[in-house]
Amino acid sequence: KNEVEQSPQNLTAQEGEFITINCSYSVGISALHWLQQHPGGGIVSLFMLSSGKKKHGRLIATINIQEKHSSLHITASHPRDSAVYICAVDPGSQGNLIFGKGTKLSVKP
Amino acid sequence: DAGVIQSPRHEVTEMGQEVTLRCKPISGHDYLFWYRQTMMRGLELLIYFNNNVPIDDSGMPEDRFSAKMPNASFSTLKIQPSEPRDSAVYFCASSLSPGLADTGELFFGEGSRLTVL
Repeated sequence: KNEVEQSPQNLTAQEGEFITINCSYSVGISALHWLQQHPGGGIVSLFMLSSGKKKHGRLIATINIQEKHSSLHITASHPRDSAVYICAVDPGSQGNLIFGKGTKLSVKP
Repeated sequence: DAGVIQSPRHEVTEMGQEVTLRCKPISGHDYLFWYRQTMMRGLELLIYFNNNVPIDDSGMPEDRFSAKMPNASFSTLKIQPSEPRDSAVYFCASSLSPGLADTGELFFGEGSRLTVL
C-alpha cells in the first residue's frame, strides 16, 4: 500500500464546476505539499500546509492532521486548470517528500 | 532570480554511456533535491543536500548513480554506465528551509528528460 494515496486518479470536469481532489497518507508528517504539473512537464508548488486551510485565488487546500487527510479544491474551474495535481508529504521536516501518484484533471470548455 | 536551472533539457544517449545532469539552485537556498519521475513509479526522491552536504542518498537506485554539490550554486547527477531503465525525467528542486511553513516551498527546475537507447 502506498504511503500517499490520491483520488481520483483522473477527473474530467466542465468549465465552471467545483473540483475536489483528495489525498490520504499513512505516515506522520510535518507538512503536506500540493504541486501542479502542466502538460509541458514543469512542476509548480501550490501550497505547503501543516494545519487548517490555505487559500490562493480560486484554489483552497485543507488538511486534517488527525484524519491524515487533505483536500485541494478548485472553484469556478477553467480549462487552464487542466494539469496533474500531486500531493506530497514531508515526514521529517527536511523536504524529503513522499509523493502521491497524482490526479490528472481535464477541464472542458 | 531566474529560478532553478537545469541542463540539459533533453538527453538521448546509448546504453553504457555516461550521463551528467546539472542543476543551479536559487541563490540563497540551503537545500537541493534531485528527483526522478517515471510513468510507473511517479516522483521519487533520489538524494538531497543541505549546505552542499549530502544528507540522504537512500533513494539513489544503484552505485551507477552519484551526485555532487561542489558549491552552493551547482550540483550534478551522474549516471555511469547508463541503462535503458534509467530513462526518466530528472528534476532538481531547491528550498530555503523545507521544515517551515513560510519558507518551506519547493522550487523545481524544468527537468531533464533522459532517454537511454
